[in-house]
Amino acid sequence: DAKTTQPTSMDCAEGRAANLPCNHSTISGNEYVYWYRQIHSQGPQYIIHGLKNNETNEMASLIITEDRKSSTLILPHATLRDTAVYYCIAHNFGNEKLTFGTGTRLTIIP
Amino acid sequence: GAVVSQHPSRVICKSGTSVKIECRSLDFQATTMFWYRQFPKQSLMLMATSNEGSKATYEQGVEKDKFLINHASLTLSTLTVTSAHPEDSSFYICSARGGSGGAETQYFGPGTRLLVL
Repeated sequence: DAKTTQPTSMDCAEGRAANLPCNHSTISGNEYVYWYRQIHSQGPQYIIHGLKNNETNEMASLIITEDRKSSTLILPHATLRDTAVYYCIAHNFGNEKLTFGTGTRLTIIP
Repeated sequence: GAVVSQHPSRVICKSGTSVKIECRSLDFQATTMFWYRQFPKQSLMLMATSNEGSKATYEQGVEKDKFLINHASLTLSTLTVTSAHPEDSSFYICSARGGSGGAETQYFGPGTRLLVL
């Protein structure tokens, strides 16, 4: 899986949109961008994934740049329960393993 | 659906004893399950990949005789920590591949916190 780079930490005001960036400049054509989050003392939670097109589900939106070298996870209306570590992973389906980096610690401020 | 459960959620044991952790995919079949370990303030580290009906594949540095993995059915994998020592104290998390996100998406259990005294 390609290496990803994320900011170590971010703050966001409650009720605002949280935009979490991820750089994956060496991503290959068959690697998907996956996002998970881990709330303290829990297992990671799947959020969303995409290949080329932008994706949206009930939790978040994923915006992937046209060159696929970076992406942004958007939580449209952040709540205190969104405080977690967010992991961006470039995952090749041919490789069974998911490799977790250090992620971004997102803190939602009341 | 894509619910993965783990049991127990936390366990305290004496040094030298063995502990078994169960991982179940509740609403989908998982041919592949994964076991991770997470130490405080660190990221998840993959320990082994478990395929139903075959031997697990262990990551480099993980002792297969110490961490016994059994994946006897499409919905159940177990991790047994044998002869546990205090340094085995950690947060153990399983994941199962499949579910509503697609065959390649991994869904994670809530984790098992092991404390070895």
